[in-house]
Amino acid sequence: NAGVMQNPRHLVRRRGQEARLRCSPMKGHSHVYWYRQLPEEGLKFMVYLQKENIIDESGMPKERFSAEFPKEGPSILRIQQVVRGDSAAYFCASSPGRQGGYTFGSGTRLTVV
Amino acid sequence: AQKVTQAQTEISVVEKEDVTLDCVYETRDTTYYLFWYKQPPSGELVFLIRRNSFDEQNEISGRYSWNFQKSTSSFNFTITASQVVDSAVYFCALSDNSNYQLIWGAGTKLIIKP
Repeated sequence: NAGVMQNPRHLVRRRGQEARLRCSPMKGHSHVYWYRQLPEEGLKFMVYLQKENIIDESGMPKERFSAEFPKEGPSILRIQQVVRGDSAAYFCASSPGRQGGYTFGSGTRLTVV
Repeated sequence: AQKVTQAQTEISVVEKEDVTLDCVYETRDTTYYLFWYKQPPSGELVFLIRRNSFDEQNEISGRYSWNFQKSTSSFNFTITASQVVDSAVYFCALSDNSNYQLIWGAGTKLIIKP
């Protein structure tokens, strides 16, 4: 198992476009977490999902951002109508259970031009 | 409210020196977890350690050691005989009783000069 896989590693979008970030958790992990890292800052929690369910989205901006973790396939973080302030590194992590330790992916670096 | 403070924004030392990275946390929970992660220039996050609030024993792993003191709410990280490859940003993080949401410090950039 290659670990938590995120793609793409780098994504460039023009203002107003949509960004779709993908995260495939480790085999056997059914819990997925998304974090955002703004330049020169620590990570900020965005959302916690289990298969087909959003458990906690308290860190998600109210507009333009959404996340899903379907029964089949990767978890998707979707940002509509991107703005320059969305430029950041987005990290996904997975765990086998709610109490389990995290494993992080390598992140997707979104640049909005 | 929970908070993690890494007061040292950047530290620069010469190779082979020992260096300590400070981490101070705030929480009202009696059960919590503390973490250290390394973020090298390549950008990925490398897990270093997870410590629960009931285990105050210091831990040593090779050149790395951690000093957990509940009395001062600190979880400091020391690298002994630093090497250039240790150059990275180091993050301290805290999770609450729910144990899934991590609260992160702002990070300390460590520069090891040859």
